[in-house]
Amino acid sequence: ETGVTQTPRHLVMGMTNKKSLKCEQHLGHNAMYWYKQSAKKPLELMFVYSLEERVENNSVPSRFSPECPNSSHLFLHLHTLQPEDSALYLCASSQATGGYYGYTFGSGTRLTVV
Amino acid sequence: TQLLEQSPQFLSIQEGENLTVYCNSSSVFSSLQWYRQEPGEGPVLLVTVVTGGEVKKLKRLTFQFGDARKDSSLHITAAQPGDTGLYLCAANQAGTALIFGKGTTLSVSS
Repeated sequence: ETGVTQTPRHLVMGMTNKKSLKCEQHLGHNAMYWYKQSAKKPLELMFVYSLEERVENNSVPSRFSPECPNSSHLFLHLHTLQPEDSALYLCASSQATGGYYGYTFGSGTRLTVV
Repeated sequence: TQLLEQSPQFLSIQEGENLTVYCNSSSVFSSLQWYRQEPGEGPVLLVTVVTGGEVKKLKRLTFQFGDARKDSSLHITAAQPGDTGLYLCAANQAGTALIFGKGTTLSVSS
Protein backbone atom coordinates (compact mmCIF):
# COMPACT_ATOMS: atom_id res chain seq x y z
CA GLU A 1 0.00 0.00 0.00
CA THR A 2 1.09 3.56 -0.59
CA GLY A 3 0.15 6.83 1.07
CA VAL A 4 -1.36 7.23 4.51
CA THR A 5 -3.88 4.68 5.73
CA GLN A 6 -6.19 5.29 8.69
CA THR A 7 -8.35 2.71 10.44
CA PRO A 8 -11.13 2.48 11.27
CA ARG A 9 -12.92 4.82 8.84
CA HIS A 10 -15.88 5.17 11.17
CA LEU A 11 -16.13 4.69 14.94
CA VAL A 12 -19.04 5.06 17.34
CA MET A 13 -18.14 4.86 21.00
CA GLY A 14 -19.75 5.48 24.34
CA MET A 15 -18.30 7.97 26.78
CA THR A 16 -16.94 5.18 28.99
CA ASN A 17 -15.28 3.19 26.20
CA LYS A 18 -11.61 2.94 25.33
CA LYS A 19 -10.64 2.76 21.67
CA SER A 20 -7.63 3.47 19.47
CA LEU A 21 -7.21 5.06 16.07
CA LYS A 22 -4.43 3.76 13.84
CA CYS A 23 -2.41 5.52 11.17
CA GLU A 24 0.19 3.95 8.90
CA GLN A 25 2.40 5.54 6.24
CA HIS A 26 4.62 3.85 3.68
CA LEU A 27 6.18 7.02 2.28
CA GLY A 28 9.40 6.99 4.27
CA HIS A 29 8.38 10.22 5.99
CA ASN A 30 9.92 11.23 9.32
CA ALA A 31 7.10 13.40 10.70
CA MET A 32 3.55 12.42 11.57
CA TYR A 33 0.62 14.48 12.82
CA TRP A 34 -2.86 14.19 14.31
CA TYR A 35 -5.41 16.87 13.39
CA LYS A 36 -9.04 17.23 14.47
CA GLN A 37 -11.56 18.56 11.94
CA SER A 38 -14.89 19.82 13.27
CA ALA A 39 -17.65 21.60 11.40
CA LYS A 40 -17.15 25.37 11.05
CA LYS A 41 -13.67 25.23 12.60
CA PRO A 42 -10.18 25.14 11.09
CA LEU A 43 -8.24 21.90 11.32
CA GLU A 44 -6.86 21.80 14.85
CA LEU A 45 -3.33 20.49 15.32
CA MET A 46 -3.26 17.96 18.17
CA PHE A 47 0.13 16.23 18.14
CA VAL A 48 3.34 16.26 16.14
CA TYR A 49 5.94 13.51 16.06
CA SER A 50 9.36 13.76 14.46
CA LEU A 51 11.46 10.60 14.27
CA GLU A 52 9.15 8.99 16.84
CA GLU A 53 9.55 11.80 19.37
CA ARG A 54 6.67 14.10 20.27
CA VAL A 55 7.66 17.65 19.39
CA GLU A 56 4.40 19.56 19.78
CA ASN A 57 1.41 19.08 22.04
CA ASN A 58 -1.23 21.73 21.62
CA SER A 59 -3.04 21.71 24.96
CA VAL A 60 -4.99 18.58 24.12
CA PRO A 61 -7.08 17.01 26.93
CA SER A 62 -5.48 13.99 28.55
CA ARG A 63 -8.34 11.77 27.36
CA PHE A 64 -6.42 11.77 24.05
CA SER A 65 -3.13 9.89 24.26
CA PRO A 66 -0.82 9.54 21.24
CA GLU A 67 1.72 6.80 20.61
CA CYS A 68 4.36 6.54 17.91
CA PRO A 69 6.13 3.15 18.16
CA ASN A 70 8.10 3.69 14.93
CA SER A 71 8.29 6.21 12.10
CA SER A 72 5.62 4.38 10.07
CA HIS A 73 2.90 4.05 12.69
CA LEU A 74 0.94 6.49 14.80
CA PHE A 75 -1.88 5.76 17.23
CA LEU A 76 -4.39 7.91 19.06
CA HIS A 77 -5.74 6.24 22.19
CA LEU A 78 -9.13 7.47 23.33
CA HIS A 79 -10.81 7.10 26.72
CA THR A 80 -13.75 8.72 28.54
CA LEU A 81 -14.48 11.01 25.63
CA GLN A 82 -17.17 13.69 25.55
CA PRO A 83 -19.83 14.24 22.86
CA GLU A 84 -17.99 17.41 21.74
CA ASP A 85 -15.05 15.18 20.76
CA SER A 86 -17.11 13.88 17.85
CA ALA A 87 -15.22 14.93 14.71
CA LEU A 88 -13.11 13.75 11.81
CA TYR A 89 -9.63 12.81 13.02
CA LEU A 90 -6.99 13.15 10.35
CA CYS A 91 -3.50 11.72 10.33
CA ALA A 92 -0.83 13.23 8.11
CA SER A 93 2.85 12.70 7.37
CA SER A 94 5.62 14.75 5.80
CA GLN A 95 9.31 14.31 5.03
CA ALA A 96 10.18 16.48 8.02
CA THR A 97 8.52 19.01 10.28
CA GLY A 98 8.19 22.51 8.88
CA GLY A 99 5.86 23.52 6.09
CA TYR A 100 8.23 23.49 3.15
CA TYR A 101 7.26 19.86 2.89
CA GLY A 102 3.73 19.09 1.83
CA TYR A 103 1.61 16.93 4.06
CA THR A 104 0.03 13.68 2.90
CA PHE A 105 -3.23 13.06 4.71
CA GLY A 106 -5.15 9.87 5.34
CA SER A 107 -8.88 9.66 4.69
CA GLY A 108 -9.63 10.17 8.36
CA THR A 109 -11.62 8.43 11.07
CA ARG A 110 -15.14 9.78 11.57
CA LEU A 111 -15.65 9.53 15.35
CA THR A 112 -19.04 9.79 17.00
CA VAL A 113 -19.24 9.85 20.80
CA VAL A 114 -22.65 8.90 22.19
CA THR B 1 -2.40 33.49 18.05
CA GLN B 2 -1.85 33.02 14.35
CA LEU B 3 -5.02 32.99 12.30
CA LEU B 4 -5.67 32.34 8.65
CA GLU B 5 -8.86 33.97 7.39
CA GLN B 6 -10.32 32.53 4.22
CA SER B 7 -12.95 34.21 2.06
CA PRO B 8 -15.51 33.70 0.84
CA GLN B 9 -16.71 30.89 3.09
CA PHE B 10 -19.03 29.51 0.40
CA LEU B 11 -19.06 29.98 -3.37
CA SER B 12 -21.57 28.54 -5.83
CA ILE B 13 -20.94 29.15 -9.53
CA GLN B 14 -21.76 27.82 -12.98
CA GLU B 15 -19.37 25.82 -15.10
CA GLY B 16 -17.10 28.05 -17.15
CA GLU B 17 -16.99 30.95 -14.68
CA ASN B 18 -13.78 32.31 -13.14
CA LEU B 19 -13.31 32.72 -9.40
CA THR B 20 -10.79 33.83 -6.81
CA VAL B 21 -10.57 32.79 -3.17
CA TYR B 22 -8.42 34.49 -0.58
CA CYS B 23 -6.35 33.59 2.45
CA ASN B 24 -5.27 36.42 4.76
CA SER B 25 -3.35 36.82 7.99
CA SER B 26 -1.62 39.48 10.05
CA SER B 27 1.36 37.13 10.53
CA VAL B 28 4.32 36.58 8.24
CA PHE B 29 4.81 32.99 7.17
CA SER B 30 7.74 30.96 5.88
CA SER B 31 5.56 29.07 3.46
CA LEU B 32 1.94 28.69 2.49
CA GLN B 33 0.14 25.72 1.01
CA TRP B 34 -3.22 25.13 -0.62
CA TYR B 35 -5.14 21.88 -0.27
CA ARG B 36 -8.40 20.57 -1.71
CA GLN B 37 -10.61 18.25 0.31
CA GLU B 38 -13.51 16.21 -1.02
CA PRO B 39 -16.26 14.75 1.19
CA GLY B 40 -15.14 11.70 3.11
CA GLU B 41 -11.48 12.19 2.25
CA GLY B 42 -8.45 13.94 3.66
CA PRO B 43 -7.02 17.14 2.17
CA VAL B 44 -4.79 16.76 -0.90
CA LEU B 45 -1.88 19.15 -1.47
CA LEU B 46 -2.19 21.41 -4.52
CA VAL B 47 0.78 23.75 -4.18
CA THR B 48 3.44 25.17 -1.85
CA VAL B 49 4.64 28.79 -2.16
CA VAL B 50 7.62 30.12 -0.21
CA THR B 51 8.78 33.40 -1.82
CA GLY B 52 6.94 36.70 -1.48
CA GLY B 53 5.25 37.57 -4.79
CA GLU B 54 5.59 34.03 -6.07
CA VAL B 55 3.06 32.86 -8.66
CA LYS B 56 2.50 29.21 -9.48
CA LYS B 57 0.17 27.68 -12.04
CA LEU B 58 -1.39 24.25 -12.01
CA LYS B 59 -3.45 23.83 -15.19
CA ARG B 60 -6.42 26.19 -14.68
CA LEU B 61 -5.41 27.09 -11.11
CA THR B 62 -3.16 30.08 -10.37
CA PHE B 63 -1.73 30.60 -6.90
CA GLN B 64 -0.07 33.78 -5.65
CA PHE B 65 1.80 34.47 -2.41
CA GLY B 66 1.63 38.07 -1.24
CA ASP B 67 4.75 40.23 -1.37
CA ALA B 68 4.84 40.43 2.44
CA ARG B 69 4.19 36.68 2.81
CA LYS B 70 1.02 37.33 4.84
CA ASP B 71 -1.64 36.43 2.29
CA SER B 72 -2.39 34.34 -0.77
CA SER B 73 -4.96 33.92 -3.49
CA LEU B 74 -6.19 31.04 -5.62
CA HIS B 75 -7.72 31.83 -8.98
CA ILE B 76 -9.56 29.23 -11.04
CA THR B 77 -10.21 29.86 -14.72
CA ALA B 78 -13.19 28.28 -16.44
CA ALA B 79 -14.31 26.27 -13.43
CA GLN B 80 -15.52 22.71 -13.96
CA PRO B 81 -17.73 20.47 -11.79
CA GLY B 82 -14.62 18.48 -10.91
CA ASP B 83 -13.27 21.57 -9.11
CA THR B 84 -16.01 21.21 -6.49
CA GLY B 85 -14.61 20.78 -2.99
CA LEU B 86 -13.29 22.46 0.13
CA TYR B 87 -10.21 24.61 -0.52
CA LEU B 88 -7.96 25.00 2.49
CA CYS B 89 -4.99 27.28 2.93
CA ALA B 90 -2.32 26.34 5.44
CA ALA B 91 0.82 28.10 6.55
CA ASN B 92 3.66 27.85 8.99
CA GLN B 93 6.63 29.64 10.43
CA ALA B 94 10.07 28.05 10.40
CA GLY B 95 10.14 24.66 12.08
CA THR B 96 6.51 24.60 13.13
CA ALA B 97 3.59 22.50 11.97
CA LEU B 98 0.99 23.85 9.60
CA ILE B 99 -2.01 25.85 10.79
CA PHE B 100 -5.11 25.85 8.62
CA GLY B 101 -7.88 28.25 7.68
CA LYS B 102 -11.56 27.24 7.85
CA GLY B 103 -11.68 26.81 4.09
CA THR B 104 -13.80 27.91 1.13
CA THR B 105 -16.49 25.48 0.00
CA LEU B 106 -16.77 25.67 -3.78
CA SER B 107 -19.68 24.22 -5.73
CA VAL B 108 -19.54 24.23 -9.54
CA SER B 109 -22.70 23.20 -11.33
CA SER B 110 -22.98 22.19 -14.97
